[in-house]
Amino acid sequence: DTAVSQTPKYLVTQMGNDKSIKCEQNLGHDTMYWYKQDSKKFLKIMFSYNNKELIINETVPNRFSPKSPDKAHLNLHINSLELGDSAVYFCASSHIRTGNTIYFGEGSWLTVV
Amino acid sequence: KQEVTQIPAALSVPEGENLVLNCSFTDSAIYNLQWFRQDPGKGLTSLLLIQSSQREQTSGRLNASLDKSSGRSTLYIAASQPGDSATYLCAVRRNYGQNFVFGPGTRLSVLP
Repeated sequence: DTAVSQTPKYLVTQMGNDKSIKCEQNLGHDTMYWYKQDSKKFLKIMFSYNNKELIINETVPNRFSPKSPDKAHLNLHINSLELGDSAVYFCASSHIRTGNTIYFGEGSWLTVV
Repeated sequence: KQEVTQIPAALSVPEGENLVLNCSFTDSAIYNLQWFRQDPGKGLTSLLLIQSSQREQTSGRLNASLDKSSGRSTLYIAASQPGDSATYLCAVRRNYGQNFVFGPGTRLSVLP
């Protein structure tokens, strides 16, 4: 059983397109995250949701819009894709109160051409 | 603003050696610290989680220590194996409700 699963794993798309990445966790966690790992391998937080509510929204273009239909899902929609959006996007989850370990998905490799 | 650094950026050792990876953070008011492993083209796998009240955690050949007052953590790997080759990242969390801030990682190569 995959704890945190995200789809698609690989995505190649043209500039200007709109795309979505989906994430689901089956760990019963109440907090989910989106991280971006750039070409230099730095991992940076983008968004965090706790019980479907946005609690962290770092400085990212408003072309990026997260949506959490329920506690187990956090999707990332990206409008008007740009070359600089090419990166690996990681979904993760944890339990906010107990400080439990954070679990990551396998990543979604986005290439904008 | 919390900043996390890791030294060295890359490390290459022969199989069987014991080694230490270092992590430093600027704000000592942390909730916990976590060490991860990332294999090429893969996601992150949690190795050890140290709560702020703890000094160290051990799992198999891995031992992580935490010195909050000096803003440091070390990951000790005993009897390294080629399968340990990966990038090791540390991450700190300030409070519950806060995100994890990651270091840039140390790329480890263990040569057979």
